[in-house]
Amino acid sequence: KAGVTQTPRYLIKTRGQQVTLSCSPISGHRSVSWYQQTPGQGLQFLFEYFSETQRNKGNFPGRFSGRQFSNSRSEMNVSTLELGDSALYLCASNTGQGRGTQYFGPGTRLTVL
Amino acid sequence: SQELEQSPQSLIVQEGKNLTINCTSSKTLYGLYWYKQKYGEGLIFLMMLQKGGEEKSHEKITAKLDEKKQQSSLHITASQPSHAGIYLCGADATDSWGKLQFGAGTQVVVTP
Repeated sequence: KAGVTQTPRYLIKTRGQQVTLSCSPISGHRSVSWYQQTPGQGLQFLFEYFSETQRNKGNFPGRFSGRQFSNSRSEMNVSTLELGDSALYLCASNTGQGRGTQYFGPGTRLTVL
Repeated sequence: SQELEQSPQSLIVQEGKNLTINCTSSKTLYGLYWYKQKYGEGLIFLMMLQKGGEEKSHEKITAKLDEKKQQSSLHITASQPSHAGIYLCGADATDSWGKLQFGAGTQVVVTP
């Protein structure tokens, strides 16, 4: 099976812009979670989607949002970008049945100038 | 909120030597995950421990979870250059469905 894929792999944006990141889960996986990784804060949970519904949410401002499509692909959007949003954004998928192992994608490196 | 402490922060080990990384939670866990990350890349799943006292091995890597399900260790035997990277423990708390809390990570450098 193909692994989790994320596009784009690298992005450069300026403050105030918005950005959309995409994640395709492993075939058959219905849950997609998003994480932000920064040198200062480490890996932090953003939110989780299952069957097109947000099932869990971390402690991030409303500028961070997401959605999931019927084919389980997910997108994450960040509006009004700030310098502090520069990070590696990782998505992970699992079957969604119970507490399954989360398999991570390669990440999208976002740089905000 | 749950605290997850990982130690050491970094480790330099000579090729062929053993190393151990520890992960301690302030709460009882449903499960504990170990991942490896190359700098700037995604996380590679290594092992998941769920039962108190459980021990799993894969090639030269062994992970253990204590009886109370609050402490885990990752042990690498006879380290090789391929073991270099960042090791992260991820806690699946009993009161926190679907979101993993991660330790700060341990950077492992393997020298010739």
